Amino acid sequence: SQELEQSPQSLIVQEGKNLTINCTSSKTLYGLYWYKQKYGEGLIFLMMLQKGGEEKSHEKITAKLDEKKQQSSLHITASHPSHAGTYLCGADRGRSSGSARQLTFGSGTQLTVLP
Amino acid sequence: DAGVIQSPRHEVTEMGQEVTLRCKLISGHNSLFWYRQTMMRGLELLIYFNNNVPIDDSGMPEDRFSAKMPNASFSTLKIQPSEPRDSAVYFCASSFNIQGARYQPQHFGDGTRLSIL
Repeated sequence: SQELEQSPQSLIVQEGKNLTINCTSSKTLYGLYWYKQKYGEGLIFLMMLQKGGEEKSHEKITAKLDEKKQQSSLHITASHPSHAGTYLCGADRGRSSGSARQLTFGSGTQLTVLP
Repeated sequence: DAGVIQSPRHEVTEMGQEVTLRCKLISGHNSLFWYRQTMMRGLELLIYFNNNVPIDDSGMPEDRFSAKMPNASFSTLKIQPSEPRDSAVYFCASSFNIQGARYQPQHFGDGTRLSIL
């Protein structure tokens, strides 16, 4: 989606290295969702951020949403080959009818971790 | 608990044929989303339902595409007639949402890889 910019598009790191993936929106986000996708599989939900300045961690993955709620970063500490895959950010822009919410996704960051 | 189940996983058919993709929601979920993923356009929302009612179908490419929820736990996406440009991976996702409650994330199936020859 052109509404969400992810960078970098691809990333190759050596096992054990730290890395950061960014997701930027030109508009305020009501919520930001990070997913991971392995080739040929569906998207796996990682984390959801809704408040400005919010930070969440799960194992070696930390995600942050900036105060203005227009940029999020995903940081992996001491990367492992199991972290390889495509990471996508999804934005909730608050459009809703009833109780369902729509997400717009970035184009993804393809991560390769070399053993 | 079983996740979102999609079938078939792969479909190869000739253009002009009818294609039906199936999706079983996670038990208890009340929102259903159909997406299409291609290299060129990424992940695009086609249509979503809330409590079996189609809410927004503005992402459906054209009239050849139709989606239904015959019951609360099952949905179909139909393409008739199919064309080569419909080739993509089609995902469905489900979530549980109640008005005013904290939003819950969408959970995706493994997708159907569709090839139209």
